Parts: sequence; C-alpha cells; structure tokens
Amino acid sequence: EAQVTQNPRYLITVTGKKLTVTCSQNMNHEYMSWYRQDPGLGLRQIYYSMNVEVTDKGDVPEGYKVSRKEKRNFPLILESPSPNQTSLYFCASRSGEKLFFGSGTQLSVL
Amino acid sequence: QKEVEQDPGPLSVPEGAIVSLNCTYSNSAFQYFMWYRQYSRKGPELLMYTYSSGNKEDGRFTAQVDKSSKYISLFIRDSQPSDSATYLCAMSQMDSSYKLIFGSGTRLLVRP
Repeated sequence: EAQVTQNPRYLITVTGKKLTVTCSQNMNHEYMSWYRQDPGLGLRQIYYSMNVEVTDKGDVPEGYKVSRKEKRNFPLILESPSPNQTSLYFCASRSGEKLFFGSGTQLSVL
Repeated sequence: QKEVEQDPGPLSVPEGAIVSLNCTYSNSAFQYFMWYRQYSRKGPELLMYTYSSGNKEDGRFTAQVDKSSKYISLFIRDSQPSDSATYLCAMSQMDSSYKLIFGSGTRLLVRP
C-alpha cells in the first residue's frame, strides 16, 4: 500500500532534549516536506526537499533541522525543543500536484 | 493579514443538505487551488484540484474559483455523516518549491 509513515504518533518530551521524528515513503517520490499544524494557523511548511541531499527552508524553519540521505526517508530533527514547538506535525511526499500526508505526530514539549 | 482566510466553523448541517465552504485570498499570483479533507487524527487528503478560474465537478463535490474576486468555494451535495471532517483550502503559484499556502480549515459536522 502506497503510504507515508511517520513515527512516533505521540511524543511528550522536555525542553532541550533532542528528538527525531522519522518519515518514510514507499512511492519513490522525489519531493518531500514537513508541516506543522496549529489551531487557527493552518498548515505551515517547515522544510522541503526536492531530492536526495537537496533541502530548503519553508516558512517556519527556526529550531528545526532535516536531512535527506535517501530518497525514501526525511527525518525532522529538533536539536533543543522548546514549548512553542508543541504542535501536530505532518510529513508529506508529492506526486504531480498531489501531496500525500502521513498520519501526523502530536508533539508536546514541557 | 493572512494570505488565505477561511472560516473555522464549526458548520453543522442535517444529512442531505448542500454545503458551501469558502476561502478568500490576497495573492493574485496564485494559480492552483485545492481542497483537502482531514478526518480527526489523520493527515489531510486531496479532495479537489483546479487550475485558474472556473468550476470542476467530481461526484457530489464541486470546486469553484473566482480569481477576479479572489474567492474559492467547495460545494458538497447530498451531504452525508461521513463527510464530517475539517476541510482545508490550499493554493499555490506552483513554482519549483511547490509551496502550498493553506487555510486554517473549516470543521464540518453532518448530522444524521
């Protein structure tokens, strides 16, 4: 089944403790991206990647890092999480005009 | 001012009603317009996609774009309880970054 898989689904952590949210797609898509979704603000792009080893900032990149060493994986790294990064995160891959989203990771930073 | 404005709702309608969901935008460079549906605890899924102005129909769903008014709409005919979800509009200039600007979403509840 074609899908975008994120892990974990839920994550509670404390300020400053580095964490990684994994994302994997099995559709051989070149384009992948990360979004955060906050009430009243909608989905905002954090980072995107056009292909392996090619990444670029979206609208809200501060406090986040990404890497794209393989086509299928696009992890999101929070080196020193802060409470304002508490949010619902979505990974997506793209085919043509269609974005395929993962099921989301609900992150709480205490 | 946000680039894309969308009423958050909730919008509650009886089963069988015609639903109208709307977004306004400020950037006249947007060319591609989409509607995503998001069920609770799930990622958004693409429902409708239109380019430039005009109408597009797919089953019970019709998407309309009025670029002169910077206004887009999604109509749902014969609404069903299974249509209960949050509907997100999204739009793009479709440059190489494929940057989509999303509305904040309208929550729809269809009552049996």
